[in-house]
Amino acid sequence: EPEVTQTPSHQVTQMGQEVILRCVPISNHLYFYWYRQILGQKVEFLVSFYNNEISEKSEIFDDQFSVERPDGSNFTLKIRSTKLEDSAMYFCAGKEYSGLLFFGPGTRLTVL
Amino acid sequence: GNSVTQMEGPVTLSEEAFLTINCTYTATGYPSLFWYVQYPGEGLQLLLKATKADDKGSNKGFEATYRKETTSFHLEKGSVQVSDSAVYFCALSDQADNDMRFGAGTRLTVKP
Repeated sequence: EPEVTQTPSHQVTQMGQEVILRCVPISNHLYFYWYRQILGQKVEFLVSFYNNEISEKSEIFDDQFSVERPDGSNFTLKIRSTKLEDSAMYFCAGKEYSGLLFFGPGTRLTVL
Repeated sequence: GNSVTQMEGPVTLSEEAFLTINCTYTATGYPSLFWYVQYPGEGLQLLLKATKADDKGSNKGFEATYRKETTSFHLEKGSVQVSDSAVYFCALSDQADNDMRFGAGTRLTVKP
């Protein structure tokens, strides 16, 4: 059964550094998403992506964040200059035609 | 806008006890409703779903019925096991919204 994969599983970085989180969605999905979950808190929507552009983004998704799907396979989330409060689990998801989201296993980002 | 409200946790039960986790929603359209589960150290997994009023989603002994009249989608299980210990998220997806809204999550601990 196809599944969403994410790399790395855990990323540790210094404050102010750039990080790129990678996702490989299921191939026939058309909408892609990034969510984050700060430890012990709720799952928060960051951004949705369709037809090679952002279709919706939340207030969290400020100028420090960017997404792209450079090769039709990988879907990446870049944080330009990480802050301590960016430490969280980041989940990639893809949506199938029925509206069902399939989530990846997540990348744990730790900003020191 | 669309939103989901679910019962605050944590919930602690003994093995074989009956479980109910309440979830109510607010939506302008005709959303699909979901329960996701997050086991310790893992990502979000779909547990069950219902796409229209009066549908009942079920999986692994868990059930939830989409009640339009009470705007609810309560999660139930007749006899919980230690392995059911996890965080449970109620979620809503509306085609008009293009993203998924999550409840705050309810942590369930089942003791032997």
